[in-house]
Amino acid sequence: EVQLVQSGAEVKKPGESLKISCKGSGYSFTSYWIGWVRQIPGKGLEWMAIIYPGDSDTRYSPSFQGQVTISADKSISTAYLQWSSLKASDTAMYYCARLASGWPPNWFDPWGQGTLVTVSS
Amino acid sequence: QSVLTQPPSVSAAPGQKVSISCSGSSSNIGNNYVSWYQHLPGTAPKLLIYDNNERPSGIPDRFSGSKSGTSATLGITGLQTGDEADYYCGTWDSSLSAGVFGGGTKLTVV
Repeated sequence: EVQLVQSGAEVKKPGESLKISCKGSGYSFTSYWIGWVRQIPGKGLEWMAIIYPGDSDTRYSPSFQGQVTISADKSISTAYLQWSSLKASDTAMYYCARLASGWPPNWFDPWGQGTLVTVSS
Repeated sequence: QSVLTQPPSVSAAPGQKVSISCSGSSSNIGNNYVSWYQHLPGTAPKLLIYDNNERPSGIPDRFSGSKSGTSATLGITGLQTGDEADYYCGTWDSSLSAGVFGGGTKLTVV
């Protein structure tokens, strides 16, 4: 069974750094793009960034370029999303998901359970 | 402002059918496959339709997808109260070199 398991909820202060994780299992981790999707409370899904763990190729939505960094450690089948300086506006649920094979990767399946990030002073 | 435009809400009675539209442009829907997701509160989104009209294993045939030009449509027949959720369309945008989602449509079954 293909599965993505995300790290637990985080509560941080503005200006702090953070790295959340997403561990894949049940498939060849290096053969599929994996990405992150944001959902601010009460709002819709936002496509953030994707990475191909096989060669670390990345794509970012223009809205998130420079705001977050996506990375992956293929030795432990884990993708990451990190912030160097959090803002209150980063408060959201973050989902990781595997993308379809091929190019462009048009759909997400399956999804992780979500990681709630709360940024508050 | 989402790149793909969906109606904020739709509603229909149990047993009826509903259609949810998703409008884009030639840089996204017009030249790429569309997918649809169901998002129930407190759960992870679930893929309903991929490649415009294909259903993953386990998705009932009450759910269907279609695409014409720069628009796509999700159809749901035989509505059940359990179908109440937010529905999102998604695709690749060749101009952005990134994926995009619609703003989401809240389905109410009343």
